[in-house]
Amino acid sequence: KAGVTQTPRYLIKTRGQQVTLSCSPISGHRSVSWYQQTPGQGLQFLFEYFSETQRNKGNFPGRFSGRQFSNSRSEMNVSTLELGDSALYLCASSLGQYNEKLFFGSGTQLSVL
Amino acid sequence: AQKITQTQPGMFVQEKEAVTLDCTYDTSDPSYGLFWYKQPSSGEMIFLIYQGSYDQQNATEGRYSLNFQKARKSANLVISASQLGDSAMYFCAMRQFTTSGTYKYIFGTGTRLKVLA
Repeated sequence: KAGVTQTPRYLIKTRGQQVTLSCSPISGHRSVSWYQQTPGQGLQFLFEYFSETQRNKGNFPGRFSGRQFSNSRSEMNVSTLELGDSALYLCASSLGQYNEKLFFGSGTQLSVL
Repeated sequence: AQKITQTQPGMFVQEKEAVTLDCTYDTSDPSYGLFWYKQPSSGEMIFLIYQGSYDQQNATEGRYSLNFQKARKSANLVISASQLGDSAMYFCAMRQFTTSGTYKYIFGTGTRLKVLA
């Protein structure tokens, strides 16, 4: 069974640009959540999608957005990039039920210059 | 507010010895779940162990065990017989319910473990 796949693995952008990251969950998983990981802040929750609906959202500005498609694949978009957006972005999938573990991808390392 | 605290930014352990990674949490919800994840240098987070707030016994998964002390709100991870491959970042996490009736995870800042040969 294939794991969670995130593309691209690495990304370099400049300030002001926008970026789209992709996540393909494990087959059958309907929940996809996104996290931003930085050395100073650790893992910060961005948002979670379940069956194409945003179910939860973290405390990030509106420049961060996401969506989920009918096949459960998800994308997140960051517009007007800032230097502070440089981070590892992790995607996790699960069936969407209570008290179950998350399955993570290897992440997309975004560098904003 | 719900919070996870990992006070050890880094730790060393000799190969084949046991090590305890500390985690304390803060929540007012009676129902919650506690998780430990391992993050090697590749970046992928790997699930290690889970403890539910109503579980009577401490969770164990192979060489991993969770020392759950509910009254003290601590959920320490114990790794027995450390191996070189255990060198990684370790995160404690808690699942919390939201006001909308769903749930989300919060993570601690992590502990970097280095196993010495």
